[in-house]
Amino acid sequence: EDQVTQSPEALRLQEGESSSLNCSYTVSGLRGLFWYRQDPGKGPEFLFTLYSAGEEKEKERLKATLTKKESFLHITAPKPEDSATYLCAVQELGDYKLSFGAGTTVTVRA
Amino acid sequence: GAGVSQSPSNKVTEKGKDVELRCDPISGHTALYWYRQSLGQGLEFLIYFQGNSAPDKSGLPSDRFSAERTGGSVSTLTIQRTQQEDSAVYLCASTRGFSRSNEQFFGPGTRLTVL
Repeated sequence: EDQVTQSPEALRLQEGESSSLNCSYTVSGLRGLFWYRQDPGKGPEFLFTLYSAGEEKEKERLKATLTKKESFLHITAPKPEDSATYLCAVQELGDYKLSFGAGTTVTVRA
Repeated sequence: GAGVSQSPSNKVTEKGKDVELRCDPISGHTALYWYRQSLGQGLEFLIYFQGNSAPDKSGLPSDRFSAERTGGSVSTLTIQRTQQEDSAVYLCASTRGFSRSNEQFFGPGTRLTVL
């Protein structure tokens, strides 16, 4: 079954045009939700971990939020260097592996 | 400091050959993971090592896949009698251990192409 669903699959933005990525998840108990950034030909780069509903974390133009069923990654006033694939992953209570979504590929045009 | 390193970065092999992929985790990280990323798909868990405990091999897709971790550090993923469907990027990750702050840090991956 799909534990993690990301939408949209692809997002094309104009520089400065803010938007949000969605990650919906289904787990019996959440230990943590992780956001990664992946550039072409490279491994995923860790961005955030969220542990409980209502939690928010920020890093530069990125802000991640968490509810009981989904997480959002908000990109504020994006720049071309924010172009990448953003991956969401969940870790269930008592487990150690991550279950990943398929990712959202973001392209920011200057 | 040094991150997770993997070698080779690219590997092209013929169907039926065996391949070995190497992972050097971050120094001091006790947990090590292997994932596989196929084109257009999410990362798929393969195997997990934690300290001296028996590894969790539940994600290995067939008995042609095996992995070992020597001295609690370097790990090798071996694929025997490779098939074309084994073509993918193989990613290794490490963490400090099973604690609250257990973010997984990934290496650059090995791109395997089976002809």
